[in-house]
Amino acid sequence: NAGVTQTPKFQVLKTGQSMTLQCAQDMNHEYMSWYRQDPGMGLRLIHYSVGAGITDQGEVPNGYNVSRSTTEDFPLRLLSAAPSQTSVYFCASSYTPRAGGYEQYFGPGTRLTVT
Amino acid sequence: AQSVAQPEDQVNVAEGNPLTVKCTYSVSGNPYLFWYVQYPNRGLQFLLKYITGDNLVKGSYGFEAEFNKSQTSFHLKKPSALVSDSALYFCAVRDRDTGGFKTIFGAGTRLFVKA
Repeated sequence: NAGVTQTPKFQVLKTGQSMTLQCAQDMNHEYMSWYRQDPGMGLRLIHYSVGAGITDQGEVPNGYNVSRSTTEDFPLRLLSAAPSQTSVYFCASSYTPRAGGYEQYFGPGTRLTVT
Repeated sequence: AQSVAQPEDQVNVAEGNPLTVKCTYSVSGNPYLFWYVQYPNRGLQFLLKYITGDNLVKGSYGFEAEFNKSQTSFHLKKPSALVSDSALYFCAVRDRDTGGFKTIFGAGTRLFVKA
């Protein structure tokens, strides 16, 4: 299994540009989530999904969109990039608690810089 | 609302000495609790979890943690630290009474083990 994969690894955007961060998992996990990691602030939840077609907002959803058309993929879209979105983005997945899943598996991250 | 506090930005310990990384949490219901570790330029790796049952849980690499409901704490411990334990450690909580879908992370504690 490849686990959780993320592309690209690095990205530089200009203010106002849009882009999609890709995330895929091959473990048949129902639960997927996106976090951003900023120094001194830990990981903050952006959006999450408990299955195909079901998404919800986390702590810091503004400026980001998600969709979940398949179990495997959970892309994160930046609508109009701002310097405040400069961060490292992590995707994670797990089984849901009712299915006996608790801990999350993380991708390697995408380092995004917005100038 | 869920929250996690890691009161120490950094913990310094000599190799061979015991280490403790502190974590307190707040949830409206009963918690699922986790510890994750992050090495430089990597994603997070799961260390251990408390779901139910015995308050002392053991995890990877000789780490353990004790769930204390009255103090709402879940401190990470290891009897004898190794230089290779130096990393960034995150405590996380999921609220089982709201379905356990959202995982909230603390800000992280950097552990430095000196040879």
